Amino acid sequence: KAGVTQTPRYLIKTRGQQVTLSCSPISGHRSVSWYQQTPGQGLQFLFEYFSETQRNKGNFPGRFSGRQFSNSRSEMNVSTLELGDSALYLCASSYSGPRSGYTFGSGTRLTVV
Amino acid sequence: QKEVEQNSGPLSVPEGAIASLNCTYSDRGSQSFFWYRQYSGKSPELIMSIYSNGDKEDGRFTAQLNKASQYVSLLIRDSQPSDSATYLCAVNGGSDYKLSFGAGTTVTVRA
Repeated sequence: KAGVTQTPRYLIKTRGQQVTLSCSPISGHRSVSWYQQTPGQGLQFLFEYFSETQRNKGNFPGRFSGRQFSNSRSEMNVSTLELGDSALYLCASSYSGPRSGYTFGSGTRLTVV
Repeated sequence: QKEVEQNSGPLSVPEGAIASLNCTYSDRGSQSFFWYRQYSGKSPELIMSIYSNGDKEDGRFTAQLNKASQYVSLLIRDSQPSDSATYLCAVNGGSDYKLSFGAGTTVTVRA
């Protein structure tokens, strides 16, 4: 059974650019969540999607957005990148939502220079 | 007050000993509780979930939940060097569709 697949694994972007990260959940999983992990802040919740609907959004600026497609794949976009956006972005999936526990992908390491 | 707080580390234990990790949470309505293990440079891996008061055992791991005290713990028995990692406590409120994570406790098992 394939796990959660995130692409790309590594990204280097320049301040002011935008970036799109992709996540393919485990087959059959309909809930996808995104988290930002930094050494100083730990794991911070970005958003959660279920059947193409965003059910919750964390305390991040509007530059952070996401969406989910009908096949449950998800993308997140960060516009006008700032140095502070450098982080590990983790996608996680579950069958129905956080209550059933999440499986995390390997993450995308974003570096903004 | 942070939503989820874990005992500060790092925690160093000898091989074969018991490692005890603690976690408190602020939302009294929380319903689901998880422990994740994260090796350096890797993503978090779910190792335990617990939903009702009491103990839940899985191999060398035991999770304990006390909702009245808003407290979750993880015991690792017969600690092995391969248990050296950061352990993250995560809590779900049920209706908020997110996991809130603690800062993590780094455990080092010395041979």
